[in-house]
Amino acid sequence: GIQVEQSPPDLILQEGANSTLRCNFSDSVNNLQWFHQNPWGQLINLFYIPSGTKQNGRLSATTVATERYSLLYISSSQTTDSGVYFCAVEDGGTSYGKLTFGQGTILTVHP
Amino acid sequence: KAGVTQTPRYLIKTRGQQVTLSCSPISGHRSVSWYQQTPGQGLQFLFEYFSETQRNKGNFPGRFSGRQFSNSRSEMNVSTLELGDSALYLCASSWDNEQFFGPGTRLTVL
Repeated sequence: GIQVEQSPPDLILQEGANSTLRCNFSDSVNNLQWFHQNPWGQLINLFYIPSGTKQNGRLSATTVATERYSLLYISSSQTTDSGVYFCAVEDGGTSYGKLTFGQGTILTVHP
Repeated sequence: KAGVTQTPRYLIKTRGQQVTLSCSPISGHRSVSWYQQTPGQGLQFLFEYFSETQRNKGNFPGRFSGRQFSNSRSEMNVSTLELGDSALYLCASSWDNEQFFGPGTRLTVL
């Protein structure tokens, strides 16, 4: 099956710093999503981005499908950005409703 | 629109028992997927239902089963619980490809 690798596994920042999270995947994809998991476990949708670039406030994401990677940018980080960020993909075959997740990046933002 | 809801939010069971978890999708969404999250294995896909039919299944034993009703609500059942089944169980619904997740059910098996 498709493989998803996220880097770095851990990231520690001071408030106000910028960061880039990376997601590499091993095959073509129909779907790529970025999530933020809150302390209670809920996955919050950040971006649905199988290709191209999107921005939402301080967050933006870029997926280069031909090179099989996606980047999540967080600018001017805040303590509330802390948590686990997941990249998840659905491969280009008949993987109905199956997202394959990376292992996540644990982001800690200090005041 | 209301989001995806899951009940119960927390559950404690003992080994050998069975459990049923429920998921109500976003109104109009016909696809429901289930995932298990554990510290060791991360987030893993269990199965997906669309219009009451299971279209896809992950690599879990037959003790894990599910179903979907005509109103798109879904249930998953785990029989003969094992300690290793302790996990956060998440369901997600979708209209096209983008999946939206519920708050999860945290299952503890003692």
